[in-house]
Amino acid sequence: TQLLEQSPQFLSIQEGENLTVYCNSSSVFSSLQWYRQEPGEGPVLLVTVVTGGEVKKLKRLTFQFGDARKDSSLHITAAQPGDTGLYLCAGGAGGTSYGKLTFGQGTILTVHP
Amino acid sequence: GAVVSQHPSRVICKSGTSVKIECRSLDFQATTMFWYRQFPKQSLMLMATSNEGSKATYEQGVEKDKFLINHASLTLSTLTVTSAHPEDSSFYICSAAPGSRVHEQYFGPGTRLTVT
Repeated sequence: TQLLEQSPQFLSIQEGENLTVYCNSSSVFSSLQWYRQEPGEGPVLLVTVVTGGEVKKLKRLTFQFGDARKDSSLHITAAQPGDTGLYLCAGGAGGTSYGKLTFGQGTILTVHP
Repeated sequence: GAVVSQHPSRVICKSGTSVKIECRSLDFQATTMFWYRQFPKQSLMLMATSNEGSKATYEQGVEKDKFLINHASLTLSTLTVTSAHPEDSSFYICSAAPGSRVHEQYFGPGTRLTVT
């Protein structure tokens, strides 16, 4: 069974601060997705990374996939109140479980104005 | 593109009744869809993988006879919660992936089920 440890679980910061969310596993994933979810809605895909060492940027968000494809990070620069939400990482399985996603526990981010 | 819809968005039912939730991929075909359950402020728990034209694959601990899944076409999967009980109250979310990019899943808006 593949597990994905996401940390921190809760993050409360002031507007303008930077933050990093981590996802770690002892398993290798064929891909890593990051989602953002608002209360009462479904998760929205932010990015998919598939290559070890890959870095993707989405405005103030920077996503990195570890060289060994076992870990990933999400860095937000100059956080804004609109960034508030639940952030989820999800690892894509290969082999006979191809297509299945393993989700981290989630990080509830609150950005105070 | 890659829009997934769910219906209904909210449903309240009485104990013992059955409820059907629909998941549709609006602008792409999906041979595989996934059904998740989510408790407040928690992550998503995969319930089952829905395969078009074949039986669903359920995760360990998920009752097949209670959560019936039918993937009738390449754009529609349904989840029926049979003989619902209050402990089945939850947020149910489906996802689908376009074509070969099966890890790039797009999620529906979710269905809030309340069993009274």
